[in-house]
Amino acid sequence: GDSVTQMEGPVTLSEEAFLTINCTYTATGYPSLFWYVQYPGEGLQLLLKATKADDKGSNKGFEATYRKETTSFHLEKGSVQVSDSAVYFCALSDRPGRGGSYIPTFGRGTSLIVHP
Amino acid sequence: DGGITQSPKYLFRKEGQNVTLSCEQNLNHDAMYWYRQDPGQGLRLIYYSQIVNDFQKGDIAEGYSVSREKKESFPLTVTSAQKNPTAFYLCASSMISGIREKLFFGSGTQLSVL
Repeated sequence: GDSVTQMEGPVTLSEEAFLTINCTYTATGYPSLFWYVQYPGEGLQLLLKATKADDKGSNKGFEATYRKETTSFHLEKGSVQVSDSAVYFCALSDRPGRGGSYIPTFGRGTSLIVHP
Repeated sequence: DGGITQSPKYLFRKEGQNVTLSCEQNLNHDAMYWYRQDPGQGLRLIYYSQIVNDFQKGDIAEGYSVSREKKESFPLTVTSAQKNPTAFYLCASSMISGIREKLFFGSGTQLSVL
């Protein structure tokens, strides 16, 4: 079945450092790939997405490129801020549900802590 | 503003008690989902529904029940059969189309056992 593997956290960085959070996936079809962010005590928000191979999703300085050959979708940011501290989830959408929609599969999440 | 509203934000359950978590959306989305979040385990799918009066079990449905009588509402009942209910519960919704749509999430309900 589909699965998503993320690097274990927490990832601890100083402000303005470079961020990479690794994500690899297993899927039988041609999934769309997503990064969601969760701030403390809140639900998840979509950060960025990519729908086909070689697509690059970007938002708020974060980027991720859909790499079909390595089945990866690593999240990067050139200079993190304290306000980026959150939990980041990689997800794919390839599992068909009854009724026509696709059921997302989530990774375990990676906590990011940014110090001033 | 359109969105998903979950209530209550915090809920306490006594031994042997059923409790119901509310989820309402005004996004006109067809599909709704319930996820359970435990520390270090990510999100696990409990139930989902893609049309009114129809719903499907997810990966961890045992001890839970749902209903979908209205498009806007998808309440989750945590029954006494769920022996370890303490977790953060997230409701989500999405459009149904040929495109693999993103999910919109509520702000969650933290359920604890007294």
